[in-house]
Amino acid sequence: AQSVTQLDSQVPVFEEAPVELRCNYSSSVSVYLFWYVQYPNQGLQLLLKYLSGSTLVKGINGFEAEFNKSQTSFHLRKPSVHISDTAEYFCAVSDTTGTASKLTFGTGTRLQVTL
Amino acid sequence: DSGVTQTPKHLITATGQRVTLRCSPRSGDLSVYWYQQSLDQGLQFLIQYYNGEERAKGNILERFSAQQFPDLHSELNLSSLELGDSALYFCASSRTSGSSYEQYFGPGTRLTVT
Repeated sequence: AQSVTQLDSQVPVFEEAPVELRCNYSSSVSVYLFWYVQYPNQGLQLLLKYLSGSTLVKGINGFEAEFNKSQTSFHLRKPSVHISDTAEYFCAVSDTTGTASKLTFGTGTRLQVTL
Repeated sequence: DSGVTQTPKHLITATGQRVTLRCSPRSGDLSVYWYQQSLDQGLQFLIQYYNGEERAKGNILERFSAQQFPDLHSELNLSSLELGDSALYFCASSRTSGSSYEQYFGPGTRLTVT
């Protein structure tokens, strides 16, 4: 079964500093990878996704992620964070086989941005 | 606003009871997914429907069932509720079925079982 591991449960960072949220996946086949953000009392919003092609993926709100097959990683980065980026971030993997779809999520990383 | 609507927003009920959660997908989306988010289990996939038919099943208890109606809205039925069923239940939808299609999430229904 596919799975993702988010290595940090919480990441505190000062405003305007860079941040990296780590995600490692395990799969013996090709995968699709996603990063979602959940703001307090809201649903999940897609930040970016990797399906194939360029390993550097750009998403919304200035976030980007790099797919690294040799290290089975898909880390999320932002060069300068804002207070409004405070939220829970989830890495997810999707099975590429068949026509069914399900996302398997990591345990989440709480990004806390302070002044 | 993702375009996915869920009702009710909050639900408080007692153990042993039965509840129904409702989801309306984005206009034009044929697939509906249900996820459960709890503190101890995290975000877990429950079930997927595509154009009225069950397409994939995850960690869904036998006490839980779902269906998708001809107008494509979906309902998740939870019965014989236990304290451990307290969670946030999300519905998501996508244009069709297939792993590359983005899933759009609704705001969720918070279920509290007392």
